[in-house]
Amino acid sequence: DQQVKQNSPSLSVQEGRISILNCDYTNSMFDYFLWYKKYPAEGPTFLISISSIKDKNEDGRFTVFLNKSAKHLSLHIVPSQPGDSAVYFCAAKGSQGNLIFGKGTKLSVKP
Amino acid sequence: DAGVTQSPTHLIKTRGQHVTLRCSPISGHKSVSWYQQVLGQGPQFIFQYYEKEERGRGNFPDRFSARQFPNYSSELNVNALLLGDSALYLCASSLIGTSIYEQYFGPGTRLTVT
Repeated sequence: DQQVKQNSPSLSVQEGRISILNCDYTNSMFDYFLWYKKYPAEGPTFLISISSIKDKNEDGRFTVFLNKSAKHLSLHIVPSQPGDSAVYFCAAKGSQGNLIFGKGTKLSVKP
Repeated sequence: DAGVTQSPTHLIKTRGQHVTLRCSPISGHKSVSWYQQVLGQGPQFIFQYYEKEERGRGNFPDRFSARQFPNYSSELNVNALLLGDSALYLCASSLIGTSIYEQYFGPGTRLTVT
C-alpha cells in the first residue's frame, strides 16, 4: 500500500501560467515533506521542503502548501517555464530517516 | 563542490551473477542511502548507512547488501541477480543530526539484467 500518492501521472501547462502538482499521504506521523524534480538520465534534484509545523514554504517561483488535516500537499510553480518540464516527485521522511516517494507526476510546460 | 558521484553509469549483467555499485557522497556528508527506481515508480529505499553502520533497511531480500567505508563512500552489492533487479540504482548523501532532512542524489547506475 502506497503511503505517498501522486494521483496525476501527467500535467500539461502553458508557459507563464501556474502549475499545481498534488500529493496525498496516509500516515499522520509524517512530519517532513520534500519535492524533487527529475530529468531523464539524471538523479532527482531537491527543490523545496516543508516541516509539519508550517503550512507554507516559498522559494522563488516554487511554493509548497501543506494541509495536515487533509493529509495533502501541493507544489505551485509560478510562472511555469519550459525548463520546468520534468517528472516531479513528492516524498515524506520515514521513521528510518529514509524518504518515501510517490510515483511522480510528469509536467510538460508548453511554449 | 562535487556532487554525489556513482559508478558505473550503466551495467549489463546476466541472471545469477553478482554486481557491485559504488557511490561517493558530497564532501562533509556522512550518511549514504541507496534507492532502487523501476520504470513508472518513485525511488524505493534499500539501505541507509551512517558512520559505517547500517541505520535503516527497506523491504528488500538478503541478496542486497551494502557497506560504508571510512571515507564515507559506499558500495551496494546484489547477489544472484534476477530479471526484476533491472532498475536505476540511486545513491543519496545527507547530513545527520540536524533538522535538515534533504537527501542529494547522484545520477544513478542503470542496471540491466538479461
